[in-house]
Amino acid sequence: GQQVQQSPASLVLQEGENAELQCNFSSTATRLQWFYQHPGGRLVSLFYNPSGTKHTGRLTSTTVTNERRGSLHISSSQTTDSGTYFCAIGGSALGRLHFGAGTQLIVIP
Amino acid sequence: EAAVTQSPRSKVAVTGGKVTLSCHQTNNHDYMYWYRQDTGHGLRLIHYSYVADSTEKGDIPDGYKASRPSQENFSLILELASLSQTAVYFCASWNSGNTLYFGEGSRLIVV
Repeated sequence: GQQVQQSPASLVLQEGENAELQCNFSSTATRLQWFYQHPGGRLVSLFYNPSGTKHTGRLTSTTVTNERRGSLHISSSQTTDSGTYFCAIGGSALGRLHFGAGTQLIVIP
Repeated sequence: EAAVTQSPRSKVAVTGGKVTLSCHQTNNHDYMYWYRQDTGHGLRLIHYSYVADSTEKGDIPDGYKASRPSQENFSLILELASLSQTAVYFCASWNSGNTLYFGEGSRLIVV
C-alpha cells in the first residue's frame, strides 16, 4: 500500500527561525495534503496541493509529483506554530488518506 | 466553517465491553470517515461512508463496525473492546471540496 515518510521526526527551533518539513511517498498518485495537529489534539487542514507551490501566510507547500516528494516551509516561526505536522496522500476519494507519522515541531521563545 | 462533533470526548471501557463512538456533522457532507491515531503516529482509516445506510471498510476495519443511519450521523462500534483498541478516534467529513473537516477526537482507554 501507499507509504508516506516524513522527516525530521521532531524539530526544535528558536522563534524566528525557518523550518523545512519533508514528505516522501511511494506512489505517483498524490492528492498530497498537509495537516496541523494542535498540542491539544485538534486537526486542521493546511494545504491541499497535488502539484506545484502554494502559499498561505508564512507557510509554503511544494509538491514535486514525479519525484514523489513534498515539503512544507514555515518562515519566521512563532511559538504558536508548535504542534505536529502531518503529510497525507489521498486515494480515490479525498478522505481516504494515508498519513505519515508526523513531524513534531517545538518553537521556543 | 464545517462542524463535526464527536461524543463522547473520552471514555474508559472494560475489555470485552461494547463501545459506541458517535459523530455528527451539520454541513450536508456526503462522505464521512473514522480514523484512529495511536500515540506518536499518524492516522489510519477504519471505515468510511459516502451515503446514508452504507459503509465501506478502510485500511484497518478488523474489530470495528460502522453505522450511517443518516447523512448527518456516523457511528463507530466496538462490539468487544480490546486493549489494542486504546487510541484516539477522529471522525471527519468531506464533500467534493479540498478540505477534510475533523472532529475534536474521542480518547478511548480500554482496561
